[in-house]
Amino acid sequence: QVQLQQSGPGLVKPSQTLSLTCAISGDSVSSNSAAWNWIRQSPSRGLEWLGRTYYRSKWYNDYAISVKSRITINPDTSKNQFSLQLNSVTPEDTAVYYCARGITVALNWGQGTLVTVSS
Amino acid sequence: EIVLTQSPGTLSLSPGERATLSCRASQSVSSNYLAWYQQKPGQAPRLLIYGASSRATGIPDRFSGSGSGTDFTLTISRLEPEDFAVYYCQQYGSSPQITFGQGTRLEIK
Repeated sequence: QVQLQQSGPGLVKPSQTLSLTCAISGDSVSSNSAAWNWIRQSPSRGLEWLGRTYYRSKWYNDYAISVKSRITINPDTSKNQFSLQLNSVTPEDTAVYYCARGITVALNWGQGTLVTVSS
Repeated sequence: EIVLTQSPGTLSLSPGERATLSCRASQSVSSNYLAWYQQKPGQAPRLLIYGASSRATGIPDRFSGSGSGTDFTLTISRLEPEDFAVYYCQQYGSSPQITFGQGTRLEIK
């Protein structure tokens, strides 16, 4: 059974970088048949897919157009986890952030992390 | 970007009744790549339906999905108390640019 465990700070100052990590059990971040996503949810923006990383003989990343200039998703094979970095955050980035496993649909989800952007 | 519009915003029904939720896309969803999720307070969404009509593992058969092109429907044949939640549709036909609908809240009447 795949489980995803998120970690990271719940408060980030404006203009700084939001960083979250998702630890994977029951699967491998290097799996050739999975993809690893970040999705966020806020009252104003609803559910928003942010991006994903996946391995198909080499590493690939896809990012949502809305955050493409500010986002990085990286795998960490030594720890079997993946991370999200979102730069230059504003209060509009305040949301519950989820990691999720799935190529096109989200089959497994992390527990969610409320990240508040405030000084 | 494909915009998904769900209706109604809120649906008030009683246990045992039939629920019909709608999801309309701003353009045709390729290969009917449309999914439905259920979300309860304080929890992550749970996948119910993918490919417009295929139930995910462990989902009861009272949940069914239908539709094609731009119009899709989630039907819950006989509402159980645990079915009252928020439901979201998601399209992945324009993957990787995945988008979600704004949700329908199903509440107890």
